[in-house]
Amino acid sequence: VQLVESGGNLVQPGGSLRLSCAASGFAFTSFAMGWVRQPPGKGLEWVSATSGTGTSTFYADSVKGRFTISRDNSKNTLYLQMNSLRAEDTAIYYCAKDSWSTTIRGFDFWGQGTQVTVPS
Amino acid sequence: QSALTQPPSASGSPGQSVTISCTGTSSDVGGYNYVSWYQHHPGKAPKLMIYEVNKRPSGVPDRFSGSKSGNTASLSVSGLQAEDEADYYCCSYGGTNNLLFGGGTKLTVL
Repeated sequence: VQLVESGGNLVQPGGSLRLSCAASGFAFTSFAMGWVRQPPGKGLEWVSATSGTGTSTFYADSVKGRFTISRDNSKNTLYLQMNSLRAEDTAIYYCAKDSWSTTIRGFDFWGQGTQVTVPS
Repeated sequence: QSALTQPPSASGSPGQSVTISCTGTSSDVGGYNYVSWYQHHPGKAPKLMIYEVNKRPSGVPDRFSGSKSGNTASLSVSGLQAEDEADYYCCSYGGTNNLLFGGGTKLTVL
């Protein structure tokens, strides 16, 4: 299993950014996928997840209405569209694979992360 | 829902055992057997060490074990080794399709 994130950058408050996660080494469509972030000096925070088919999506309250998760199963790629970015969104964003298909129960493989910085 | 509660630090000498706790509520840790534990070396991808409270993925040493009592889950590491030094995070299914993480515990091997 390999998960490679990209798209992290420095973006001004109120701006937008799209993260990507290229997956390989497993049957991508068979598993739910998600994003977890780690703000500087803090712990992990679950952000969002989507079912294997992409028809079900789930969000933490802190990002609901601003972030949109999606997946392109033909490209084995997971996305996170982040709008109306705030300083508190500054974090390393990790892509992760769940062991379930239709919902999330805990991630079994993770990528190495991509840095998103929103200055205050 | 609030994050799960972990002690910020834990330590032990090589060969010793250490246990890290993770306290939630009856709506998360106590309500489901979907507690997982992750080992995280800064700059690297988090690694799954325990899933569904007490199951070990292939390749994880049997020195690592998990348990749960009520609203508190625990990760135990026996026969501490230098390479066990890392941050450890618990995670629980929180119902209504969300996950909760603990604040993390920095394990130091003295």
